[in-house]
Amino acid sequence: QVQLQESGPGLAKPSETLSLTCTVSGYSISYDYYWGWVRQPPGKGLEWIGTFYHTGTTYYNPSLKSRVTISVDTSKNQFSLKLTSVTAADTAVYYCARAQWGGGYYYYMDVWGKGTTVTVSS
Amino acid sequence: QSALTQPASVSGSPGQSIIISCTGSSSDVGGYNYVSWYQHHPGKAPKLMIYDVSNRPSGVSNRFSGSKSGNTASLTISGLQAEDEADYYCSSYTSSSTRVVFGGGTKVTVL
Repeated sequence: QVQLQESGPGLAKPSETLSLTCTVSGYSISYDYYWGWVRQPPGKGLEWIGTFYHTGTTYYNPSLKSRVTISVDTSKNQFSLKLTSVTAADTAVYYCARAQWGGGYYYYMDVWGKGTTVTVSS
Repeated sequence: QSALTQPASVSGSPGQSIIISCTGSSSDVGGYNYVSWYQHHPGKAPKLMIYDVSNRPSGVSNRFSGSKSGNTASLTISGLQAEDEADYYCSSYTSSSTRVVFGGGTKVTVL
């Protein structure tokens, strides 16, 4: 059974960097599938942040691309999100998810973590 | 404002059928058969209910079905049950630089 678990600080200060980690169990992220992040600001819908494949292919939401980095630690079966220069608008529940893509097309996300709340406030 | 438009809420009585719509454009829903639907109970992990417009993952009840007509995709829940009360989101590939779009979500209430 594949499981994803987000972890990281629940509070970030404006202008600082938000860092989160997703730990995957039950499946090797080096084997197949794409992996990434989605967020949900309070009272709003879901917003895709970015996705990577273990060979290095990465896709980012253009609206966040200048501030986002997704990296992977295959030895720990984890991947991470860094979002720089955060503001209150980055306050959200952040989810990690396993996704299916093919030929540059996004198909779906079939396994999700429960999410972690990050508040940006001084 | 989400790229895909969903009704904010839909309700129905137990045993009834409800339909949740998801309207996009020819750049996303209308142009590709890569529409997916997710069920989300607050505090829990979102769950994939439908992928590629109308396919159900293993383990998802056949009371859930998906379809598409033009730029609008639909999720039908038949035989509504109390456990179906949740938020539902549609998602699609988009040919815009965004690549991935979601709907704003629909709250399903079982009366």
